[in-house]
Amino acid sequence: NAGVTQTPKFQVLKTGQSMTLQCAQDMNHEYMSWYRQDPGMGLRLIHYSVGAGITDQGEVPNGYNVSRSTTEDFPLRLLSAAPSQTSVYFCASSYTTGTPNEQFFGPGTRLTVL
Amino acid sequence: KQEVTQIPAALSVPEGENLVLNCSFTDSAIYNLQWFRQDPGKGLTSLLLIQSSQREQTSGRLNASLDKSSGRSTLYIAASQPGDSATYLCAGSSASKIIFGSGTRLSIRP
Repeated sequence: NAGVTQTPKFQVLKTGQSMTLQCAQDMNHEYMSWYRQDPGMGLRLIHYSVGAGITDQGEVPNGYNVSRSTTEDFPLRLLSAAPSQTSVYFCASSYTTGTPNEQFFGPGTRLTVL
Repeated sequence: KQEVTQIPAALSVPEGENLVLNCSFTDSAIYNLQWFRQDPGKGLTSLLLIQSSQREQTSGRLNASLDKSSGRSTLYIAASQPGDSATYLCAGSSASKIIFGSGTRLSIRP
C-alpha cells in the first residue's frame, strides 16, 4: 500500500493564481480531510469528506473548494491564491465506524503564495 | 465546539527522564483521541489512538490515557531518549470533525 499520497510536494504561486492540490489513498478509507499547518497554530481543518459525494466545511474553509467523486481521491482547490494561504497542507484519511478512527497522513504540500 | 489545548508549548528534559505531555479538550462527547509525532519538516506519524470507551493505550515506552470526565489526556514517555525529540500533537474526534492541539515541542538533552 502506498498509503496517503500528496502532490506536489512544493509549489510557488503568484497572488490570484489557481491550483489544485492532489490527495489520494489506497486503503479504501471513507473519511478524508485537509488541514493546513501554520507556525504555532497546530493543524486546522479546512474541509472533510465522510464518503464519495459528501463534503463539509471545517474550521477554515474560506478560499478553498473540495470535491469527492471517488473514494480514493480528495483534491483541494485554491481558486484565487492569496498570501494568507501560504502554509503546509496535509491530507489525511481514516476508516469510520460512524466517526473517524485512526488517521493516516500524507507527507504534505508546502505552498508559498507571493 | 471542540477546542484542544496542549501545555506547555515547549519542554526540554535530560535524557533518561520520564515525562508527561498534557492535552485538554472542552467537549466531553469525544469519540476518540489520537497522539501524533511530527519531526521538523515532516508529516505526522500516529503514535496511539484511544477510543472513548478505553482509559489508556500502550506502545513500547509510550502510554496514553484518556479521562473524558475531566477533559484530559496525557502521553507518558518512559526513559526518554534524544531520538524522542519532536513535536507531539494530540487530536480529538467529535462526530465528523477532528480538532488538533497546537503541539508540544519536546527536546531531550543528551
